[in-house]
Formats: sequence, C-alpha cells, structure tokens
Amino acid sequence: EVQLLESGGGLVQPGGSLRLSCAASGFSFGNYAMSWVRQAPGKGLEWVSTIVSTGVSTYYVDSVKGRFTVSRDNSKNTLYLQMNSLRADDTALYFCAKDELIRIGNFDYWGPGTLVTVSS
Amino acid sequence: DIQMTQSPSSLSASVGDRVTITCRASQSITTFLNWYQHKPGKAPKRLIYAASGLQSGVPSRFSARGSGTDFTLTISSLQPEDFATYYCQQSYSTPWTFGQGTKVQI
Repeated sequence: EVQLLESGGGLVQPGGSLRLSCAASGFSFGNYAMSWVRQAPGKGLEWVSTIVSTGVSTYYVDSVKGRFTVSRDNSKNTLYLQMNSLRADDTALYFCAKDELIRIGNFDYWGPGTLVTVSS
Repeated sequence: DIQMTQSPSSLSASVGDRVTITCRASQSITTFLNWYQHKPGKAPKRLIYAASGLQSGVPSRFSARGSGTDFTLTISSLQPEDFATYYCQQSYSTPWTFGQGTKVQI
C-alpha cells in the first residue's frame, strides 16, 4: 500500500525558512517522480514543484522559483521541500504526491498534508 | 499557462442523483487530464486519469469523458461518501494547473 506522510509544517515569520519532509513507503520510491501541491485556506489546489526520480531535473511554479528547493534522498525514501523567504501567501496545507511512472504531472497518490502558516 | 475552468463551483444534490461537472481548458490538452476528489482533512484521491481512465479501486459510478478543451466528470448515482470537492487538473504542460474546484454538497 502506497503511503505518504508529510511533516515539518508550522508557524514561521515572514522572511523565514522551513523544510518540509515527505516519508514514502509501499512503492519503489527511487523509480518515481514526486511532487508538492498546496492548498491555501479556502482556496483550491496549486501545484508547487516536481522532481524526477533521479533528482536531476526539477520544476517549479513561478511564484516559488528562487525561494523553494525540492530535493530527495532515495536511500531514505524521503522527499523534501526547502522553503526560504517565506511570505504570507505561502500559507497553505502542503501535500506531497507521487507521480505516475509513465509521465510526470499526474499525481496518483497523495499524503494528508502538513500545514504551513506564515505570520508575524 | 493553461487555465482550467470548472462549472459549477458548487452544487446541491441528493443521494441517488446523477451529477455532472464540467472542466474547460484554455487551450487543447488532448487527453492529459485528471480528476481528483478531496475531502477536508484527507489526502486528495485521484478518480480519473487520461481524461476517461478509471483509477483502480474507484467505484464504477464515476465516469469521465472529453478531449481537447472540454471534459466532464459524471457520478451516476450519488452516494453519501461522494460529498466532497472535485478538481480537474491538466498534465499537458507545466505549470500543471487545477480547476478551482466543484463542491458537491447535500
């Protein structure tokens, strides 16, 4: 059974940093691209970032480019999202998601999310 | 960026009703479209892939069709556990984008 569990969320001041983690199990983590998707309070889903299976290529939505960095440790079956220069509009529930094998951008399994609140 | 527009934004329905949600893309995405179900406090769940493929384990009352720019998700007979928010999402090109969601409520 595929399981994804995010952690690392919390309250941070504007301009601060936070690192999210996503522990994966139930599949061959190193074979799949992985993604982060967020949901701001009362809003819909927004894709944030994707990293391919090897970690060689990464993709970001424009609003986080230069501030967020996605990475992975295939030996630990863990996905990360380093978030710097956080802003109030980064406040959201952050989900990690497993991409399909055939084509990235198709999220077939998701975690329950971790909440990030950016506020002074 | 490809804009995804869903309609309606919300709907009220009863158990047993047939429900249809529409999703329109701002340009052709062929069949690179997914549908997700999301309940508060839970992980989103993919229902449909490649515009019409039923995800393993998803009940057959869910169906979807479409290609190009116009897509629909249909629930043939609404069940109590189906009350949730539904999102379409294009995987044709980055940034991957979602519709604004359709909340299905009693």
